[in-house]
Amino acid sequence: GQNIDQPTEMTATEGAIVQINCTYQTSGFNGLFWYQQHAGEAPTFLSYNVLDGLEEKGRFSSFLSRSKGYSYLLLKELQMKDSASFLCAVRANDYKLSFGAGTTVTVRA
Amino acid sequence: DTGVSQDPRHKITKRGQNVTFRCDPISEHNRLYWYRQTLGQGPEFLTYFQNEAQLEKSRLLSDRFSAERPKGSFSTLEIQRTEQGDSAMYLCASSPGGGKYEQYFGPGTRLTVT
Repeated sequence: GQNIDQPTEMTATEGAIVQINCTYQTSGFNGLFWYQQHAGEAPTFLSYNVLDGLEEKGRFSSFLSRSKGYSYLLLKELQMKDSASFLCAVRANDYKLSFGAGTTVTVRA
Repeated sequence: DTGVSQDPRHKITKRGQNVTFRCDPISEHNRLYWYRQTLGQGPEFLTYFQNEAQLEKSRLLSDRFSAERPKGSFSTLEIQRTEQGDSAMYLCASSPGGGKYEQYFGPGTRLTVT
């Protein structure tokens, strides 16, 4: 089976930085994805890591360590509109994704 | 490119009725996925297609569930004899294939079984 863990909730202040951790234990590994999901909406693709290291995309960066089964999503210069659930997902041995339960990030003024 | 679309967006049905949902993927995407999401959880995989071939079905998909993608374009998901436990958001996603694995999700169909 697949086990993907991430914190349930995080709160941060507008303009700050927040780091969302994700640990995984899966039967295989072929990439890790981060998605953002606003309440009542579909998940939106943010990033994809298949090799170790940091991938930067504007205010969002994602890091992967395959040996540790660990990833994080870094959100910089937080804005109110960033308040959402952030989902960590692993592609194990085929094409489907296995998702964590999501981390709800609340940005406060 | 208009993105993944799903219809209907909301469905309320009585227990025991059959329902069918439709998904139109991004054009040229040959892979199509169905997921189910309940409140406070991440999406759970149900099934996926490569072109018109259904390649995998989750153990979550009981005999009451069936999915088709007859011409390798749109897909339908049917639930027969609905139960209250079927109440959830049903999400469809597509991916381009050819070494590109990111999946793009539709807005979902929210099913409520009363």
